[in-house]
Amino acid sequence: ETGVTQSPTHLIKTRGQQVTLRCSSQSGHNTVSWYQQALGQGPQFIFQYYREEENGRGNFPPRFSGLQFPNYSSELNVNALELDDSALYLCATYSGGLRYNEQFFGPGTRLTVL
Amino acid sequence: EDQVTQSPEALRLQEGESSSLNCSYTVSGLRGLFWYRQDPGKGPEFLFTLYSAGEEKEKERLKATLTKKESFLHITAPKPEDSATYLCAGNSGGSNYKLTFGKGTLLTVNP
Repeated sequence: ETGVTQSPTHLIKTRGQQVTLRCSSQSGHNTVSWYQQALGQGPQFIFQYYREEENGRGNFPPRFSGLQFPNYSSELNVNALELDDSALYLCATYSGGLRYNEQFFGPGTRLTVL
Repeated sequence: EDQVTQSPEALRLQEGESSSLNCSYTVSGLRGLFWYRQDPGKGPEFLFTLYSAGEEKEKERLKATLTKKESFLHITAPKPEDSATYLCAGNSGGSNYKLTFGKGTLLTVNP
């Protein structure tokens, strides 16, 4: 198992609500990426944070936002939830450097929007 | 736009029956081709990274290879515990580390 943890494990929300998902990175990892994985699909890149600043974003609207804290833990916030936001949300952490080493994924948060 | 396509979508094998999974990629400035294993409801588990054409890596019954356009995951004499979804992803590098994933191959190994 990796040292990446996510909370909560499962979450049920209704359309229009807001949600915050949390990720604690593996020790020594200063970079975190968030991915959305719909059922039967591969993960899709949402954005990445490096040293508390957003460092790249995928094709997701501004209602998806994030934060990274000094201890490198991270949050994903989604406003105005839509039914299509139902998915497994994954965070992945790694130690930035010249070589693109493997990212370590957390177990994910299963979000259901009703 | 970066693209990763995996085939087949699903593969059913008998225990001991070797086979290969395919990953075709169009990733500009590829900085690594990654293979992950994902069990239902869990996060992907890292298997291999390949960086250049001709590179091969092995782990137990799995062997990953890379060409300029494709990667293969060879499974030799699989066991039921190898049943999982296998994901392939390309990293385009640049200023951030963004993985573009395929949809995965669902492998089922029957005893």
